[in-house]
Amino acid sequence: AQSVTQPDIHITVSEGASLELRCNYSYGATPYLFWYVQSPGQGLQLLLKYFSGDTLVQGIKGFEAEFKRSQSSFNLRKPSVHWSDAAEYFCAVGGNNAGNMLTFGGGTRLMVKP
Amino acid sequence: DGGITQSPKYLFRKEGQNVTLSCEQNLNHDAMYWYRQDPGQGLRLIYYSQIVNDFQKGDIAEGYSVSREKKESFPLTVTSAQKNPTAFYLCASSMLGSLDTEAFFGQGTRLTVV
Repeated sequence: AQSVTQPDIHITVSEGASLELRCNYSYGATPYLFWYVQSPGQGLQLLLKYFSGDTLVQGIKGFEAEFKRSQSSFNLRKPSVHWSDAAEYFCAVGGNNAGNMLTFGGGTRLMVKP
Repeated sequence: DGGITQSPKYLFRKEGQNVTLSCEQNLNHDAMYWYRQDPGQGLRLIYYSQIVNDFQKGDIAEGYSVSREKKESFPLTVTSAQKNPTAFYLCASSMLGSLDTEAFFGQGTRLTVV
């Protein structure tokens, strides 16, 4: 069965500082990996996705993520955080399952200090 | 504009009542999903449907029911058998046939038992 772990429940960074959110997955085949962002009381918006090719993927809002098969990781990064990035971030894995279902991690809540 | 619409945004239920959450999409997506979100637990799959008149249980289907009479609509009923229904409910949809396709989410319905 596929699973996703986001080890950090909360992270606080200062505005302008760099950010890395961790994601580890468990999946028997080639994973399809996603990062979503959720503002309070809202739905989820896709930041980026990986399914093949270059292991460094670029997304919206200046985010990027690197797929490392040897570490079963797909960490999300941003070089300089803005106050508007404060939100909850979810890593998800999909793959060869019926219905294209995604399995989500528990989420990381990002707080940004001025 | 194409998208997913969930209604209502807020819903209050008395003990012992059934309530139905609406989800409509105009993206022409085949698959639709219902997730439940609780603080610190990420998103958990309740039900999903790949085709009209067919649906499958997810990880936490007990106390919930769904129907898929039209491709565009996938309503979720929270029955009185659901012992702890207070949560944020998210509906999503995606295309089938390509494993890298992402899920698109509605804005969610917050259900509170009073």
